[in-house]
Amino acid sequence: NAGVTQTPKFQVLKTGQSMTLQCAQDMNHNSMYWYRQDPGMGLRLIYYSASEGTTDKGEVPNGYNVSRLNKREFSLRLESAAPSQTSVYFCASSDGSAGRGNEQFFGPGTRLTVL
Amino acid sequence: QQPVQSPQAVILREGEDAVINCSSSKALYSVHWYRQKHGEAPVFLMILLKGGEQKGHEKISASFNEKKQQSSLYLTASQLSYSGTYFCGPRLTGANNLFFGTGTRLTVIP
Repeated sequence: NAGVTQTPKFQVLKTGQSMTLQCAQDMNHNSMYWYRQDPGMGLRLIYYSASEGTTDKGEVPNGYNVSRLNKREFSLRLESAAPSQTSVYFCASSDGSAGRGNEQFFGPGTRLTVL
Repeated sequence: QQPVQSPQAVILREGEDAVINCSSSKALYSVHWYRQKHGEAPVFLMILLKGGEQKGHEKISASFNEKKQQSSLYLTASQLSYSGTYFCGPRLTGANNLFFGTGTRLTVIP
């Protein structure tokens, strides 16, 4: 039982390049989330998916797109990376909505640097 | 909409107690608490819901004052393993998701 897995663990991009961060969970959870964490800023929600087939914007969605490929997988895409997107990205999942009192399980994170 | 946590940092000796506070300017529906060790993912500690329901680890205690729009996490008889950054993540009334605070860095020394 791996929980929430993320790939890659580290990535360096040049400004303007694109990439996709992958996330998968094996807990049969309905809801999945993408957060970014910057020093001194805490966790900020980028996008979330309440259930398979739905996605919604979070607090900081600009510059990102997401795909809920199936119940297990939720990917985050940067179409044209900018230095302001240098951050640590965490994927999380929960059985029901976190806002309704369900515990979130976090992946190990992807450390992204944009030069 | 980001909640305010206090203190920002605290250093304890093993066995001492600490209280971490989380305040919001808006009405709260629920509050999550997570702990994150350096270089690792956040780990769930507790959820407090409107009406008094709580879910979480038995060794952690917390309070949720809906009227004051704040929550507090109580760490008693601290151990070295308690070191890390603690985040509160309230769900605001009318919102669907959590807004995390900037964290409280707790260091426990022998």
